[in-house]
Amino acid sequence: GQNIDQPTEMTATEGAIVQINCTYQTSGFNGLFWYQQHAGEAPTFLSYNVLDGLEEKGRFSSFLSRSKGYSYLLLKELQMKDSASYLCAVMDSNYQLIWGAGTKLIIKP
Amino acid sequence: NAGVTQTPKFRVLKTGQSMTLLCAQDMNHEYMYWYRQDPGMGLRLIHYSVGEGTTAKGEVPDGYNVSRLKKQNFLLGLESAAPSQTSVYFCASSSIPDVSGELFFGEGSRLTVL
Repeated sequence: GQNIDQPTEMTATEGAIVQINCTYQTSGFNGLFWYQQHAGEAPTFLSYNVLDGLEEKGRFSSFLSRSKGYSYLLLKELQMKDSASYLCAVMDSNYQLIWGAGTKLIIKP
Repeated sequence: NAGVTQTPKFRVLKTGQSMTLLCAQDMNHEYMYWYRQDPGMGLRLIHYSVGEGTTAKGEVPDGYNVSRLKKQNFLLGLESAAPSQTSVYFCASSSIPDVSGELFFGEGSRLTVL
């Protein structure tokens, strides 16, 4: 079956760096997405990786290793507003998105 | 720009009642989706549409029906609501997903079935 695993919850300190991991097993691969979802709100797009390596976008970076079925989202210079759930999703061979359950990130002052 | 708009935002139903959730997008997207989100679980696809007049089943279609009579609208119907359908429902749209097809989500509709 298809599976996306990510930690349920993580805690980090304001100003620090945090890495959220995602491992996947899917039928084919057409890219990996990270979305941010604040409590009570809709998910919003953060990043897309289809090739191995690191994609940097401001304070956020996303890494992909297709051979290992692994990705991580790196958040630098954490701010209180980064408290949210981070959703990992993989697009399979049928271009359907398979979603992880999300990682709730708690930022402490 | 409005983006993706869902109505209603909140609804309480009794078991056996019916209702329709409306999703409208103004981005001229071909693809539209209905998801449900439950605590501790990933987003689960209910139904989707790849263009006007088309619909297809997703991962959890039972108990739901959909229609896409106009390109900008995607309706989700519950014919006979059950408590297991208590959830937050998200509509999303995207351009053709084979090239980094980012999803644009509506604000969500919180449904409680008593």
